[in-house]
Amino acid sequence: DAKTTQPPSMDCAEGRAANLPCNHSTISGNEYVYWYRQIHSQGPQYIIHGLKNNETNEMASLIITEDRKSSTLILPHATLRDTAVYYCIVRVDSNYQLIWGAGTKLIIKP
Amino acid sequence: DGGITQSPKYLFRKEGQNVTLSCEQNLNHDAMYWYRQDPGQGLRLIYYSQIVNDFQKGDIAEGYSVSREKKESFPLTVTSAQKNPTAFYLCASSIGRGRLGYGYTFGSGTRLTVV
Repeated sequence: DAKTTQPPSMDCAEGRAANLPCNHSTISGNEYVYWYRQIHSQGPQYIIHGLKNNETNEMASLIITEDRKSSTLILPHATLRDTAVYYCIVRVDSNYQLIWGAGTKLIIKP
Repeated sequence: DGGITQSPKYLFRKEGQNVTLSCEQNLNHDAMYWYRQDPGQGLRLIYYSQIVNDFQKGDIAEGYSVSREKKESFPLTVTSAQKNPTAFYLCASSIGRGRLGYGYTFGSGTRLTVV
């Protein structure tokens, strides 16, 4: 089981904020939420991660709900180069594996 | 610059042949991983290693083998026992066991095609 649920695809207009949701209702107390993206036929690229608090870096912001059952990745000003598959992942702390779902295919439209 | 190098980028194999995919990292990471990705799907873990000379099976280890003789290297062999080896193979590394909160660094992948 992927432990996360994401919509299969989303569109966003160039220059707008892209908000990508993720549900992780079975997350345990010390499991982090990671976001990666994969541009076609390349290796995944790390974006951001968080545990409880909201996080921001040069690429994106991560908003985690207070009950930690869902999160949203925000790309503040989407560009065409942000078109990719975005993966929300909960790390399994017992054996330190990432469990990957199918992700959200984000298409940025001009 | 530190990173992970996978080679070759494209690989063609005849049915019944073994083939080895290379993965080298200069990040001084303890842990290394091999994933398989099929079209339109997420990544599935084949093998992982938390320390030199030790490795564990992931979810789909059948038909694959690995070694970890050096910290920097984690080669994957796709054997003839793997019934459907055509896929995109990704190698990754991380700081390692017990170090929660750190991300994974991925290589650029090897696309294996059985002809």
